[in-house]
Amino acid sequence: GEDVEQSLFLSVREGDSSVINCTYTDSSSTYLYWYKQEPGAGLQLLTYIFSNMDMKQDQRLTVLLNKKDKHLSLRIADTQTGDSAIYFCAESIGGNTPLVFGKGTRLSVIA
Amino acid sequence: DGGITQSPKYLFRKEGQNVTLSCEQNLNHDAMYWYRQDPGQGLRLIYYSQIVNDFQKGDIAEGYSVSREKKESFPLTVTSAQKNPTAFYLCASSPSGVREEIDTQYFGPGTRLTVL
Repeated sequence: GEDVEQSLFLSVREGDSSVINCTYTDSSSTYLYWYKQEPGAGLQLLTYIFSNMDMKQDQRLTVLLNKKDKHLSLRIADTQTGDSAIYFCAESIGGNTPLVFGKGTRLSVIA
Repeated sequence: DGGITQSPKYLFRKEGQNVTLSCEQNLNHDAMYWYRQDPGQGLRLIYYSQIVNDFQKGDIAEGYSVSREKKESFPLTVTSAQKNPTAFYLCASSPSGVREEIDTQYFGPGTRLTVL
């Protein structure tokens, strides 16, 4: 079955790096995603990684994928107060099937 | 501007009434989805549609109904049979045909439904 697990809370100081972790169970996952949700808003796609990649970097964001351990992480460098939000990890097995979402990690950035 | 719109942003309903939430997209996406979000519960899939005139139940379809008569529209009706409808409802769509974009879902701004 499919299941995505995330820790619920993370608190960091402004300027530090944040690392949000996610584990998934479906070994046939083709894409893994990170979304950001600000209060009262919809989900915003941050980045995604194809399952044959180990790492993807996009400005302050670095995604690491350990396929053997089914572990995905999102690192945010130089975390700012505007990064405070809920971050969702999601997996897909392809073919326009619905994504399976984790419960989200609430990131709080302390000034 | 291309995107997904949901209306209204806030919706109040009396117990026992049906209510319809609107979702429209002009991204030419084939697939559309409805999720419900409750605090601390993440997203739960209600219904999804991969093509016009076809849709499938998600994990929590009871008390909800949908239609997909047009590619750009996927309205959700919350019926009086839904026991606890107060929640934040999110609509999403995803493209097809372009490999890297196949499953990427794009979300609307959401509708907050409150039952009085």
